[in-house]
Amino acid sequence: EAGVTQFPSHSVIEKGQTVTLRCDPISGHDNLYWYRRVMGKEIKFLLHFVKESKQDESGMPNNRFLAERTGGTYSTLKVQPAELEDSGVYFCASSLRPGGDEQYFGPGTRLTVT
Amino acid sequence: LAKTTQPISMDSYEGQEVNITCSHNNIATNDYITWYQQFPSQGPRFIIQGYKTKVTNEVASLFIPADRKSSTLSLPRVSLSDTAVYYCLVGFPVSGGYNKLIFGAGTRLAVHP
Repeated sequence: EAGVTQFPSHSVIEKGQTVTLRCDPISGHDNLYWYRRVMGKEIKFLLHFVKESKQDESGMPNNRFLAERTGGTYSTLKVQPAELEDSGVYFCASSLRPGGDEQYFGPGTRLTVT
Repeated sequence: LAKTTQPISMDSYEGQEVNITCSHNNIATNDYITWYQQFPSQGPRFIIQGYKTKVTNEVASLFIPADRKSSTLSLPRVSLSDTAVYYCLVGFPVSGGYNKLIFGAGTRLAVHP
């Protein structure tokens, strides 16, 4: 069974540009999460999808970040326009059930904004 | 908002038992405690999960006291490949009854030969 996949693995963009990160969860997992770790900081929750609905987006830093999960399958996280402080590693995870259920993480996308 | 607390780092030697404790004062009554392991350039990987008392699997044990305000991950006979960052993950209640997931700061375990 394929695990959670993320694309791209690494992205380097200039300040002001737009970047879209993609996450493909494990098939059948209704719950999809986005996290990020900024350099030297803790892994921070961004948002949680249940199927195509946003269950909790309280961790989204500002309106430059837009997450979607059309059809309840893969998800995208768009940053527009990117700022220097957006640099970090963005992780996606999925689980069968919400809450404290085991989450399966992808390898992450390393975003560098210059 | 309460958060989890773990030691920043720990050192051990091959073959020893390692215990990492996490405190989580505001854990929800219906939430589980989950520990993850993370190697450089990889996403966190599930180790073990429990609700109360003791849970054991092929790689670790998890001890949770009756009040569930803390938990201890126990790694028996560590090897060099256990060098990683270990996170405890619990849910915290927020308004509306939904459990928000918060990672601990992580404990960087270094296993020496």
